[in-house]
This record gives sequence, structure tokens and C-alpha cells, in this order.
Amino acid sequence: QLVLTQSPSASASLGASVKLTCTLSSGHSSYAIAWHQQQPEKGPRYLMNLNSDGSHSKGVGIPDRFSGSSSGAERYLTISSLQSEDEADYYCQTWATGIWLFGGGTRLTVL
Amino acid sequence: EVQLVESGGGLVKPGGSLRLSCEASGFTFSDYNMNWVRQAPGKGLQWVSSISSSRTYIYYADSVKGRFTISRDNAKNSLYLLMNGLRADDTAVYYCARHVSLGEFDYWGQGTLVTVSS
Repeated sequence: QLVLTQSPSASASLGASVKLTCTLSSGHSSYAIAWHQQQPEKGPRYLMNLNSDGSHSKGVGIPDRFSGSSSGAERYLTISSLQSEDEADYYCQTWATGIWLFGGGTRLTVL
Repeated sequence: EVQLVESGGGLVKPGGSLRLSCEASGFTFSDYNMNWVRQAPGKGLQWVSSISSSRTYIYYADSVKGRFTISRDNAKNSLYLLMNGLRADDTAVYYCARHVSLGEFDYWGQGTLVTVSS
């Protein structure tokens, strides 16, 4: 069964870097995903798509501070030079024929 | 600039019906597959339904199958979701989202709140 697993929370200091993880379920390590950001009281915003080989393509206007990488069944979102506006929920998304799935989301706190 | 604007949310009693709309602008609507995604209060994102650009393919999450109907009018640049047999657990903000060929959703609306309560 296709499932995405994310840690519920993460925190890092202003100006530091943080790496968020999204794990694909067993047997699905070749799947691409997408990362989305949801700031408080706002709709989600697409950040990037991320392939199993680590190649990724960012959405329009997404800063260079946001990057993606992959290792096996894990997909990562790294945010460098953290800013206060990066405090948000981050969701990974994947898909198969006729179904689209989201991870449970990671709430990032910028200290 | 791509814009997706949802409307039609509100308070409805259990068992009632509601039709949501999503008006698109800034891109050729008829070229893109479209989706509805919802978010219950304090919860994560849940995909609801998808419709292909020419309506050839339509998919639903199991939780709404048989109760919700997705449709689109390419001449009006609009996406719709007809929700029947509403239940308390359908209470959520409903977002429309554009879907690109690889499967990811690359633009989202701001959402419309549906509250199902007696």
C-alpha cells in the first residue's frame, strides 16, 4: 500500500538549515514526490517535484534556499538560511493511477 | 498569473447538498487536469477528486465515492464539486488545485470552508 510518512514536527534556529524527511512505503522507493508549503491560515503552495534520483524542479518564485534530494525510499526537503516566514507546515505528495496521496505533514518551527 | 478562486462553501445540515466552484485564470484551463483537495480543521491534506482536461478520466477518494461529483466547464474556465449526502466528517476547507502531467499539484486556490452541522 502506497503511504507517505513524515515526522509531525521539526525545529531549527533562524539563519540555520533544516532537512525534512518524507518516507515512501516499502516497494515504492522509485516514486517521485512533490513538496508543498502551507503557511498559517493560507492555502498550500507548491515548492518542487523530486525524483528518486534526486533531480528536482522548483515551482515559480521558489527561492534557491529550498532544495530537494533523495536516498532510497526517503525524499528530503532542505531549507537553508531559515527565515521567519519559513515557519509553516510542509507536506509531501505522491501519486499513482487514479490516486493522489499526502503525507501527514511536518510542522516546522523557526526558533 | 495563475489564479484559482473557490466559492460556494457554507454551513449545511447533515444529509444536505452543496456545490463548490473554482474559477481559473492566467492559463489555458482546458489544457490541465484539475483536482479538489480538502483539509479538516487542524488536520492534513486529503485528496478528494480529480478530472482530466477533457473529462475523459474522473477519480474519487473512497470516502466520497457515490456522494460527490466532480465536473468542469472549459468554456467558463471553471471546476465544480457537487456534494450530496454531506456528513459531519466532510467538514473541511476545500481547495482546488491544478495538476501537471507528472502528477504533482502546482497551483492551489485559497480554499472555501464547508461546515456540516445541525
